[in-house]
Amino acid sequence: DAKTTQPNSMESNEEEPVHLPCNHSTISGTDYIHWYRQLPSQGPEYVIHGLTSNVNNRMASLAIAEDRKSSTLILHRATLRDAAVYYCILYTGTASKLTFGTGTRLQVTL
Amino acid sequence: GAVVSQHPSWVICKSGTSVKIECRSLDFQATTMFWYRQFPKQSLMLMATSNEGSKATYEQGVEKDKFLINHASLTLSTLTVTSAHPEDSSFYICSARRNSGNTIYFGEGSWLTVV
Repeated sequence: DAKTTQPNSMESNEEEPVHLPCNHSTISGTDYIHWYRQLPSQGPEYVIHGLTSNVNNRMASLAIAEDRKSSTLILHRATLRDAAVYYCILYTGTASKLTFGTGTRLQVTL
Repeated sequence: GAVVSQHPSWVICKSGTSVKIECRSLDFQATTMFWYRQFPKQSLMLMATSNEGSKATYEQGVEKDKFLINHASLTLSTLTVTSAHPEDSSFYICSARRNSGNTIYFGEGSWLTVV
């Protein structure tokens, strides 16, 4: 499985935007970039995914570099409820599996 | 949105006994489900891939005779921890891949404590 690299932790103030980076320099052409987040004592929650183009949904935006070797998850206005571990995962879909790295622990402060 | 439910949410069992955890996809069909284990302050570790109607595929280092997986229908997979020991105490999480679309959804997790 292609590997992703994320910072161990990040901090943000509430109501401010947060940019969570992810490097995936060995990404293959069939790999989708998926983001999940995990709140304490809960299962991971799907956030967003994309292939080549930037994506937006009600939770976040995903900006994908033109060479696809990196991506950024954007939370437009962080709230205390966004404090979680965010995982960036490469996933090819059918016959593939989600392998989790260490993720980025996001702390949100008042 | 898609929902995956696990039961029980938490369970305490005596050392040497077996315990079963259920994973259900409530509003979609899932030919493939996955079982993970997570120790405190660590990431999720994939244990096995569960395929409806066939044998599960276990990750390297996971004992298939200890962690029995059954995927008898398109909405239910079960994980049975046999002869549980205190070192098996962990947070067990299942996920299910929706047959249409390939997105994977996760259950709420099940805390197992072996005493």
